[in-house]
Amino acid sequence: EAQVTQNPRYLITVTGKKLTVTCSQNMNHEYMSWYRQDPGLGLRQIYYSMNVEVTDKGDVPEGYKVSRKEKRNFPLILESPSPNQTSLYFCASNPDRGNTEAFFGQGTRLTVV
Amino acid sequence: AQSVTQLGSHVSVSEGALVLLRCNYSSSVPPYLFWYVQYPNQGLQLLLKYTSAATLVKGINGFEAEFKKSETSFHLTKPSAHMSDAAEYFCAVKNTGNQFYFGTGTSLTVIP
Repeated sequence: EAQVTQNPRYLITVTGKKLTVTCSQNMNHEYMSWYRQDPGLGLRQIYYSMNVEVTDKGDVPEGYKVSRKEKRNFPLILESPSPNQTSLYFCASNPDRGNTEAFFGQGTRLTVV
Repeated sequence: AQSVTQLGSHVSVSEGALVLLRCNYSSSVPPYLFWYVQYPNQGLQLLLKYTSAATLVKGINGFEAEFKKSETSFHLTKPSAHMSDAAEYFCAVKNTGNQFYFGTGTSLTVIP
């Protein structure tokens, strides 16, 4: 089954404790992205990747890092999480350019206390 | 940069009534347009997407959307609301650089 898999689904952590949210897709998509969803703000892009070893900042990259060492994986790293990073996070992937939709993971609800 | 405006963060309709969710985009050229639905505790699922083949696009679950270039709009409609339609709906634009821009979402409540 074609899917984007995120882990964990739920995470509670303390301020400053490094964490990684994993994302994996099995559709051989070139493009992958991370979004955060906050009430009243919709989805905002954090980082995106056009292919292996090619990443770029989205609209809200501060406090986050990503890497793309393999085509299928695109982890999101919070080196020193802060309470304002409490949010619902989504990973997405899509094929190359054109009228192709994004496929989303199930989301990771992160709480930083 | 692209922007997407969804009028009405909350919409309530009675079961069986028409559903109309509004979406306007800003773009100098017609972009790629999408509607997604998000059910509680789930990821986003594609409802429909605009293709240049037709201005009226049919999606899943009886939803459809009409592309109006002159109004830069892509409103989502469904003739008769069902309780199972209660969800959050997002309009999205994708630019030629493959970046998606999402509206702030519309939460649809269906009243029995």
